[in-house]
Amino acid sequence: KQEVTQIPAALSVPEGENLVLNCSFTDSAIYNLQWFRQDPGKGLTSLLLIQSSQREQTSGRLNASLDKSSGRSTLYIAASQPGDSATYLCAGWAFGNEKLTFGTGTRLTIIP
Amino acid sequence: NAGVTQTPKFRVLKTGQSMTLLCAQDMNHEYMYWYRQDPGMGLRLIHYSVGEGTTAKGEVPDGYNVSRLKKQNFLLGLESAAPSQTSVYFCASSRDRVSNQPQHFGDGTRLSIL
Repeated sequence: KQEVTQIPAALSVPEGENLVLNCSFTDSAIYNLQWFRQDPGKGLTSLLLIQSSQREQTSGRLNASLDKSSGRSTLYIAASQPGDSATYLCAGWAFGNEKLTFGTGTRLTIIP
Repeated sequence: NAGVTQTPKFRVLKTGQSMTLLCAQDMNHEYMYWYRQDPGMGLRLIHYSVGEGTTAKGEVPDGYNVSRLKKQNFLLGLESAAPSQTSVYFCASSRDRVSNQPQHFGDGTRLSIL
């Protein structure tokens, strides 16, 4: 059974700093991994999707990497801004499943 | 472009009452999903559909039923609500199997069962 873990549960950093969010998964048969953003009272917005054949994906100030051998993915946010404050969730899709397995998220606060 | 729309946004029920949550998408997506989100547990899949007229059980289907009579709509029903079903419910859709395409989420329905 796929398990996805995100540590820490909460993180506060000063504005302007670069930061890394971590995601660990147990099933090496993972096919892809997605990173989502969730604002309070809102649904999830897909940020980046990394296929298992890829090592990383980039969108603007965001860069996500995937290392299947170590069971880890990271989301790198460059030059953080207060508008980046949100909860970030990762979710993995493994062969044989028809579902995403979600982590419980990291609540990020950017301090102005 | 509305994307994924969920109604209602909030609801309070008494134990034993029934209700239906409606999800509508205007992106012509084949795949639709219902999740529940609980503190400390992440999102869990309740039921999903791979096309009009199809439904399948997810991770936590007990106590829920679904229907997909039209491609754009996916309904989640609670026949006899229980306090354990207090949660935030999210609907999502995707063009293809999520292995290839990202899922698009609605803003959620916050449901309290007293």
